[in-house]
Amino acid sequence: DADVTQTPRNRITKTGKRIMLECSQTKGHDRMYWYRQDPGLGLRLIYYSFDVKDINKGEISDGYSVSRQAQAKFSLSLESAIPNQTALYFCATSGRQGAFFGQGTRLTVV
Amino acid sequence: AQSVTQLDSQVPVFEEAPVELRCNYSSSVSVYLFWYVQYPNQGLQLLLKYLSGSTLVKGINGFEAEFNKSQTSFHLRKPSVHISDTAEYFCAVKDAGNMLTFGGGTRLMVKP
Repeated sequence: DADVTQTPRNRITKTGKRIMLECSQTKGHDRMYWYRQDPGLGLRLIYYSFDVKDINKGEISDGYSVSRQAQAKFSLSLESAIPNQTALYFCATSGRQGAFFGQGTRLTVV
Repeated sequence: AQSVTQLDSQVPVFEEAPVELRCNYSSSVSVYLFWYVQYPNQGLQLLLKYLSGSTLVKGINGFEAEFNKSQTSFHLRKPSVHISDTAEYFCAVKDAGNMLTFGGGTRLMVKP
């Protein structure tokens, strides 16, 4: 089994729709992250969580919300999707040995 | 606050040539350093890491990196690249609080 699992892997949605991206990890780490990747911009942090009760905004949190349902689960929601949220989204978890990433969710907002 | 700069957004190189991908960071505290690789249409995977000890770190697929504290750099090198090394490479730093900060990525394009 993968250390970090994201669902769905691909999604096309319409402008204005609500969508949730889910992430689960088996590493037992407390820290989890959501990033988005856009061509030429690298990985940008959306939200991060240091434990179930500690959730923090990253550099580009506007238009997104998160929920840390358990140590192993961290979901990202787009309340009202817009086209410039079309991107590749990565969930990650980290410990001292480094970060472990999911395979990514390719989201297209039309 | 910490930041990571990857000085080259794209690096074209011929197969079997050596390559260096540059990474500089800034941080007010001690950090751990990482290189990740992302092959086309795949997620990120860890290439190598520096946590402590020897400043020359060897990773997978023949890559290595050297931590230079005085120059705040962590450049990635490979003496002879293959077509299969074509990918995007990300440098990242992590402080003791486990916050990961990424550079903008360097696209390595290996040509035959």
